[in-house]
Amino acid sequence: DGGITQSPKYLFRKEGQNVTLSCEQNLNHDAMYWYRQDPGQGLRLIYYSQIVNDFQKGDIAEGYSVSREKKESFPLTVTSAQKNPTAFYLCASRPATNYEQYFGPGTRLTVT
Amino acid sequence: AQKVTQAQTEISVVEKEDVTLDCVYETRDTTYYLFWYKQPPSGELVFLIRRNSFDEQNEISGRYSWNFQKSTSSFNFTITASQVVDSAVYFCALSVYNQGGKLIFGQGTELSVKP
Repeated sequence: DGGITQSPKYLFRKEGQNVTLSCEQNLNHDAMYWYRQDPGQGLRLIYYSQIVNDFQKGDIAEGYSVSREKKESFPLTVTSAQKNPTAFYLCASRPATNYEQYFGPGTRLTVT
Repeated sequence: AQKVTQAQTEISVVEKEDVTLDCVYETRDTTYYLFWYKQPPSGELVFLIRRNSFDEQNEISGRYSWNFQKSTSSFNFTITASQVVDSAVYFCALSVYNQGGKLIFGQGTELSVKP
């Protein structure tokens, strides 16, 4: 089955720890995106990557880092510098020829 | 700068009622794309429709229809004869051509359809 997988669905961490969220796609899409969703709000862009080994900051990149070593994988690291990391994180991808993004199931991160 | 506004935070209707979700966007670019996504309680966003800025033709898909009007910068979504399964948060989004495909989302409208 083609799609986007994010793991785990729920993640709990202690304050001060870095944590990496996984995003994998087997759709052969070129571009991948990370969004953050807070309760009652829309999604905000953290980072995106249009090709392997290249990525750009979105609107709220501070405290986050990414890598794009393989076309199918775009992991997001939430560092201890992120002041308010508790949120729902959604990964998305799209082919180069189409502006429609397809989303994974999301990871709900709780930091205490 | 680009912006999407969904002024309706929550809407509650009774099953079989028609309901319209409003979306107003702002951009100075002439080539852009508009989207609607559905977010059920599970959390995953489901793509519903894409419209490009050069195509103002309205679209109907089953009980869903979309009204795109450039003159008022609006892209409204109507559900006819709503059903309980339509209960979800609906997001309108904008993507400008040649800017990496980034989506700019509205705040979302939570639709509750009661039996």
